[in-house]
Amino acid sequence: GAVVSQHPSWVICKSGTSVKIECRSLDFQATTMFWYRQFPKQSLMLMATSNEGSKATYEQGVEKDKFLINHASLTLSTLTVTSAHPEDSSFYICSARDLGDKQYFGPGTRLTVT
Amino acid sequence: DAKTTQPPSMDCAEGRAANLPCNHSTISGNEYVYWYRQIHSQGPQYIIHGLKNNETNEMASLIITEDRKSSTLILPHATLRDTAVYYCIVSSGSGGSNYKLTFGKGTLLTVNP
Repeated sequence: GAVVSQHPSWVICKSGTSVKIECRSLDFQATTMFWYRQFPKQSLMLMATSNEGSKATYEQGVEKDKFLINHASLTLSTLTVTSAHPEDSSFYICSARDLGDKQYFGPGTRLTVT
Repeated sequence: DAKTTQPPSMDCAEGRAANLPCNHSTISGNEYVYWYRQIHSQGPQYIIHGLKNNETNEMASLIITEDRKSSTLILPHATLRDTAVYYCIVSSGSGGSNYKLTFGKGTLLTVNP
């Protein structure tokens, strides 16, 4: 089946720094990728939709200047958490949509801001 | 957006069939029913999806009622590794306006030995 990877799988950073998370579709092209956030014991919350070659579409309440998304190619999208704070600590998950309308999810990135 | 209702938790004995229900009474004509599952601390895994016909693959079967207002995911022979949170989601295809997957709280399925 289709595989989506994320890098890094976990990261610890200091408050005020920026962190970049990569999402790659390994064996298919994805014109659309999605970024989710999941806090402990909660469900996934969609943050933004990333379209190759255009600006991302953010969900209501998600700060676009804080969560920078770039979808530079059909296999790569990146999420940069700028000026991270402890409340940004979460599990960040990306997904990629194939031409058959199925979404495949990455393994997630655990971000801890100290 | 069409919403779904699932029981918060279910138990199943190992080797038996697990039947997970989902209500989606406001589903639109162009919306599919998707099922995903999430094992603890991992990304969600695609299981199956369908529009109006019943579907079967190597993982599960999906039974959709004729009025499409509810569906059931069937794991024919549950194993301990099937313990996970199962999400039922309605979403249109890429040609529709509601192509995003919006996750609810899902059903925590616990398979017992």
